Formats: sequence, C-alpha cells, structure tokens
Amino acid sequence: AQSVTQLGSHVSVSEGALVLLRCNYSSSVPPYLFWYVQYPNQGLQLLLKYTSAATLVKGINGFEAEFKKSETSFHLTKPSAHMSDAAEYFCAVSVYEKLTFGTGTRLTIIP
Amino acid sequence: DTEVTQTPKHLVMGMTNKKSLKCEQHMGHRAMYWYKQKAKKPPELMFVYSYEKLSINESVPSRFSPECPNSSLLNLHLHALQPEDSALYLCASSQDNQRNYGYTFGSGTRLTVV
Repeated sequence: AQSVTQLGSHVSVSEGALVLLRCNYSSSVPPYLFWYVQYPNQGLQLLLKYTSAATLVKGINGFEAEFKKSETSFHLTKPSAHMSDAAEYFCAVSVYEKLTFGTGTRLTIIP
Repeated sequence: DTEVTQTPKHLVMGMTNKKSLKCEQHMGHRAMYWYKQKAKKPPELMFVYSYEKLSINESVPSRFSPECPNSSLLNLHLHALQPEDSALYLCASSQDNQRNYGYTFGSGTRLTVV
C-alpha cells in the first residue's frame, strides 16, 4: 500500500520568505509523486510531478520539488513567497491507477 | 480544451431526491475519476473508469451510482443521500489509467443534503 505524510497542517511564512512544505512517502513500488494546490472553493491544480526522470522537478508559479529516495521525501519549495500562494497544498502518490493524497498543508502568507 | 467541466457548481437536495452530477472533458483522456472531499480533508477516491469501464469502486454505498456514457462524459447519479454525504465532489481525468500521468481536476460540485 502507498501513503504520503505531510508534516505540518499549517505553515505560515512572510511575504518574500522561503516556502518549504514537507512530504514523505511510503510505497512498495517506485513511486510517482505529485503536488497539487487548492484555492478556496475550487478544484485541484497540478503544480508539478515526479515520474522517475530528473529528481529535481520544476513546476508552475515558481515552485519546485526534489525527490530524495534515501529520505523517502518529496518536499515542495519556493524561494520567495507571494500573497497569491496562500492556499491548501496536497502531496499525492500514485501506485497503479490510484492517486492517494496526504492530509494537506494550509499555507498562510504574512504581509 | 484543457479543462474538466463539472455541472452544477452547487446542488442542494433533499434526502428523498434523485439528482445527477455531470463531468465532461474533451482532452481525449481515457480515464476518469470521482473523488469526494469533506471540509478540511483531502480528496478520497470513489470510482475509476478506464476506457469507459468501471475499474475501481472504493466500496462506495449504492446510493451513489456512476455512469460513463462515452469517453468524454462521466455522471454520478445520487439517490436517497444522507446529510453526511454533503461534500465537494470532484471529477478528474487522465490520459490513461497509468500512474505516471497527472490528473486534471474539475472545479467540483458542492453538494448539500438537507
């Protein structure tokens, strides 16, 4: 069975500061990993995905994530936070045809 | 067209009503999904259709009945729902049911059962 654990249900950063959202995975087979963002009352938008190519993955809106097999991690980062980044972020793992989400991290940006 | 369109955006229904949620995509995707999301929770998989055939049912109660009339359309028929079924229902599609493809999500239908 596969699962992801997101450390920190709430993260607050100042505008312009580094954003770091943590995700650790567990999978019995090589995982495919995803980060999604959800704005209030909206669906989920794919930020980026790891599918066994490059371990450093760049996504939309300046986000990137690094796959580290030794640490079973796939943390999401952005060098400089913007007010528009305030949202709920979900890490997800795909094994076979099922996509399983972590519990989510709410990111708050402090002006 | 790179979108998944869900209708209606909001739905209020009584426990004796019958209603349907609709999902449509024109990206040529051959896998489609229904997810249920309760407030402040992650989405939970309900059903997977692959090439218009039901491939996964996550032990969803029979008051939820999915239907895939063609490769572009996915419906979720609702009957005799309970108040605890109130949630955001999300539809998604992917190129195939292979796990390396990201899913494209619709904006959801917010369902309230009264």
